[in-house]
Amino acid sequence: DTGVSQDPRHKITKRGQNVTFRCDPISEHNRLYWYRQTLGQGPEFLTYFQNEAQLEKSRLLSDRFSAERPKGSFSTLEIQRTEQGDSAMYLCASSLRRGLANEKLFFGSGTQLSVL
Amino acid sequence: KQEVTQIPAALSVPEGENLVLNCSFTDSAIYNLQWFRQDPGKGLTSLLLIQSSQREQTSGRLNASLDKSSGRSTLYIAASQPGDSATYLCAVSPSGANSKLTFGKGITLSVRP
Repeated sequence: DTGVSQDPRHKITKRGQNVTFRCDPISEHNRLYWYRQTLGQGPEFLTYFQNEAQLEKSRLLSDRFSAERPKGSFSTLEIQRTEQGDSAMYLCASSLRRGLANEKLFFGSGTQLSVL
Repeated sequence: KQEVTQIPAALSVPEGENLVLNCSFTDSAIYNLQWFRQDPGKGLTSLLLIQSSQREQTSGRLNASLDKSSGRSTLYIAASQPGDSATYLCAVSPSGANSKLTFGKGITLSVRP
């Protein structure tokens, strides 16, 4: 399978616990994005990487959230001290950016987080 | 701040009907516009990408148009099928170096057999 894969697909946790999600992008893609989607809403941008560099973070990404892409391949998104408002689908996408050419984003199936 | 609107939120049509899904955006300074399909509990699949310099793109039974100056895009689906039932989202990319997409809330389409 050469698509974007995310693990786990579902995560149920208690309020206050830490959780970590993993995203494996399409292998040759240099850009990786994290989005969050709540029920009935479109995805909202959280952060993105070009290779291993984190280039932008949304104001939605509080201090409890941290994302890494240590070797420019897979990425992790960690949420510390989870709150019920963190319950959402966390989507990862990757793309191949060449110069200023338009890039198509390929999304994974997401990780559904439920905070009890 | 860019805002993307998709109305109505839901649509139900009989099989075989041709239909148009609308998308509007407030800031015309976009780099491109994409239409995505999302099945329940799943990720997004890119359907069509229209560059800001283009007017339309076609793929099979799908045709997307873009009128940047008026801040509108439409997705035309010909001869709809029950398998087209899904949520359709449009998203715009700002001018510049990244693809930080701003999404609409989507239109949930149901095609009745």
